[in-house]
Amino acid sequence: DAKTTQPPSMDCAEGRAANLPCNHSTISGNEYVYWYRQIHSQGPQYIIHGLKNNETNEMASLIITEDRKSSTLILPHATLRDTAVYYCIVRPYNTDKLIFGTGTRLQVFP
Amino acid sequence: DTEVTQTPKHLVMGMTNKKSLKCEQHMGHRAMYWYKQKAKKPPELMFVYSYEKLSINESVPSRFSPECPNSSLLNLHLHALQPEDSALYLCASSQEGDNPNAPLHFGNGTRLTVT
Repeated sequence: DAKTTQPPSMDCAEGRAANLPCNHSTISGNEYVYWYRQIHSQGPQYIIHGLKNNETNEMASLIITEDRKSSTLILPHATLRDTAVYYCIVRPYNTDKLIFGTGTRLQVFP
Repeated sequence: DTEVTQTPKHLVMGMTNKKSLKCEQHMGHRAMYWYKQKAKKPPELMFVYSYEKLSINESVPSRFSPECPNSSLLNLHLHALQPEDSALYLCASSQEGDNPNAPLHFGNGTRLTVT
């Protein structure tokens, strides 16, 4: 399974964009990149996923590099409620598994 | 609020007790999952059910026994647990288990304490 590497922690000022990087240099061509977040004492929350193209939804944007070896999750206007652990996950093709790595702890400050 | 409902929210049990965790979803999803999460660690996959059949068991000890009575319900039966089994137990569901384009949706978990 492709491994992901994320910084253990990041800070972001409220109202600014939060850019969370993820390296997945061993990703295969048919593997999706998923992002989840987990706010304290809650279950993981699905944010966004993509295969090759950049994706955007009401929560965030996902930018995947052309070689697919890295991606960035962008929260355009971070709020205090975005403080959470953010997980970047490469999901193998044709499998039931979703395996979490260690994630990035994002702290949004006033 | 999530669309995956887990009960109870908290559970304290002794090492000789038998208890069950319950998970329910009404999104028509055909795959359901159990994860275990220790404090300050990422969730770890335990079991996957796909179309009501057990498809993945990640070498989980037999004191944990999953059951999928129908496509909307998932249980985790607990017996003779150890204190180190204390953790947050998370349930998730997805439209189809082996579809990598189908996100998993998680409940908020049952916080289990084994005394």
